[in-house]
Amino acid sequence: SYVLAQPPSVSVSPGQTATITCSGDDLGDKYVCWYRQKPGQSPLLVIYQDYKRPSGIPERLSGSNSGNTATLTITGTQAMDEADYYCQVWDSSTAIFGGGTKLTVL
Amino acid sequence: QMQLQESGPGLVKPSETLSLTCTVSGGSIRSYYWTWIRRPPGKGLEWIGYIYNNDNTNYNPSLKSRVTASVDASKNQFSLKLTSVTFMDTAVYYCARFNGDNGMDVWGQGTTVTVSS
Repeated sequence: SYVLAQPPSVSVSPGQTATITCSGDDLGDKYVCWYRQKPGQSPLLVIYQDYKRPSGIPERLSGSNSGNTATLTITGTQAMDEADYYCQVWDSSTAIFGGGTKLTVL
Repeated sequence: QMQLQESGPGLVKPSETLSLTCTVSGGSIRSYYWTWIRRPPGKGLEWIGYIYNNDNTNYNPSLKSRVTASVDASKNQFSLKLTSVTFMDTAVYYCARFNGDNGMDVWGQGTTVTVSS
């Protein structure tokens, strides 16, 4: 079955750029979604179709996808960005989530 | 604006069946695919399955033998049944709207289900 790999944790200083990666075989051939989940809250879609932002998601969140790696980039990281982030794709009509990355803003 | 709300028992005994319902408000259930996701304690998100109008379903292969999803369009609700539960099925369960390539774009608040005797 298809597997998506994410780093378990990423740390960033306030105001700096955070980069969260998601790796999978030929991932660039699939559409990637990213979800943010804060403690006690439901997941929130922040990126779809690799780079598109739903209404209300700030421009400082951006996505890209090429080759075997998709990337979620958060510029000017703020304390409010601290959360778990998950990448997700569809493979053979099955939703696959990455293991999640805990973003810590130090 | 569409909203989703999960409901169901918070405690289920081992070997019994977990039953959850998701009520859709602010839109018709007939127009979209609907999906269930869970997050076990200390773990990440796990997709359970999706359903569209009772005639199109697909489930996580690891759960397929125990899962059934259904839609009650008259009540604007969809449901999940998971049989023969064990403590491994303890999780927060979420329902969500699956909007094709636009992702899972509307989520319920989640409901905690604990499997314990």
